[in-house]
Amino acid sequence: AQSVTQLGSHVSVSEGALVLLRCNYSSSVPPYLFWYVQYPNQGLQLLLKYTTGATLVKGINGFEAEFKKSETSFHLTKPSAHMSDAAEYFCAVSLFTGTASKLTFGTGTRLQVTL
Amino acid sequence: SAVISQKPSRDICQRGTSLTIQCQVDSQVTMMFWYRQQPGQSLTLIATANQGSEATYESGFVIDKFPISRPNLTFSTLTVSNMSPEDSSIYLCSVGYGGTGELFFGEGSRLTVL
Repeated sequence: AQSVTQLGSHVSVSEGALVLLRCNYSSSVPPYLFWYVQYPNQGLQLLLKYTTGATLVKGINGFEAEFKKSETSFHLTKPSAHMSDAAEYFCAVSLFTGTASKLTFGTGTRLQVTL
Repeated sequence: SAVISQKPSRDICQRGTSLTIQCQVDSQVTMMFWYRQQPGQSLTLIATANQGSEATYESGFVIDKFPISRPNLTFSTLTVSNMSPEDSSIYLCSVGYGGTGELFFGEGSRLTVL
């Protein structure tokens, strides 16, 4: 079985500061990992994904994440926060069962960006 | 990617009634899923909607409470039956195309049960 742990349900940063949202996973097989963002009253939007290959993954809106197998981590970063980044962020891990892929989500981290 | 339309976008319902949520995708998709997001919570998978056969439910979810239909590769419905205030949630339809697990989500149906 696979699981995801997001450390910190709320993170607050100043505009222009580094954003770091933490995600650790547990998986019995090589994982596929995802970060999704949810803006208020909207559905989920894929930020980035890791499947195979390069461990540093770049996504939309200047976000990136690094897959570290030794640390079982997939932390999300952005060098400089913008007010528009305020949202809920979900880390997720995929398990392909052979007939369908299921995503297991972390509990989410709410990012607040202050002036 | 896919364009996923859900109806209704929100509704307020009375206890004991049922509501059917529709999910329409602009292209044929292999996999369709229904998730629930309770207030302030993460997403929990309710079931996999299988085309032409019964849905596959996750632990804690049953067909009598959440009947699902998927008559073709672009459409599915989720019914929330005999609703109680505990069913107040956002219900999200999601679709996937391949084995990596990447999913695309509709904007969700926000349900409030009084």
